[in-house]
Amino acid sequence: DQQVKQNSPSLSVQEGRISILNCDYTNSMFDYFLWYKKYPAEGPTFLISISSIKDKNEDGRFTVFLNKSAKHLSLHIVPSQPGDSAVYFCAASGVPGNTGKLIFGQGTTLQVKP
Amino acid sequence: KAGVTQTPRYLIKTRGQQVTLSCSPISGHRSVSWYQQTPGQGLQFLFEYFSETQRNKGNFPGRFSGRQFSNSRSEMNVSTLELGDSALYLCASSLGPRALTDTQYFGPGTRLTVL
Repeated sequence: DQQVKQNSPSLSVQEGRISILNCDYTNSMFDYFLWYKKYPAEGPTFLISISSIKDKNEDGRFTVFLNKSAKHLSLHIVPSQPGDSAVYFCAASGVPGNTGKLIFGQGTTLQVKP
Repeated sequence: KAGVTQTPRYLIKTRGQQVTLSCSPISGHRSVSWYQQTPGQGLQFLFEYFSETQRNKGNFPGRFSGRQFSNSRSEMNVSTLELGDSALYLCASSLGPRALTDTQYFGPGTRLTVL
């Protein structure tokens, strides 16, 4: 039972264009969502987060959108740069009784072509 | 401010042995969580510690255990290693016990190979 899903294993975009990474979740109790970027053999690097009381959070080139009714969130990267090429994970937390536990999606590999 | 540190970075063991991994959280962080990453299962939660107490545990066998010290440093132990335990083990720290927006920051991981 995968509570957090990233249905696109990979995404390829041209440098300067927008990258949109999607994530769906099934547990309506989740109240905090995060995006991490990861290179092979390294730990995930925190990018941006959003709480369930908001529908948008922006940090520089990164914007996360949350649609609670659809149980969907997305990460927009504008403009995309070759250094953004990595695996992106969305994660969710906040289920009562399971605090401190992040549930991760399977990841989307982003390739930004020069 | 220094990030999360994990030691050792790489480890090779044989089946049946046991292993101990160490994690030092970001200064001021009191919560430490452990995750296992494998190609087939992705990132899976092992357990979380706060104030030397395990607050939450994932679906792993009892061979996986951990502890936290008074300085918030944490160790995890895997006994009777199996080939399937080969993975990247990640430690994450956060301020905890969590505010609504408590963010976890990850260390570089320990790559464990079981032969």
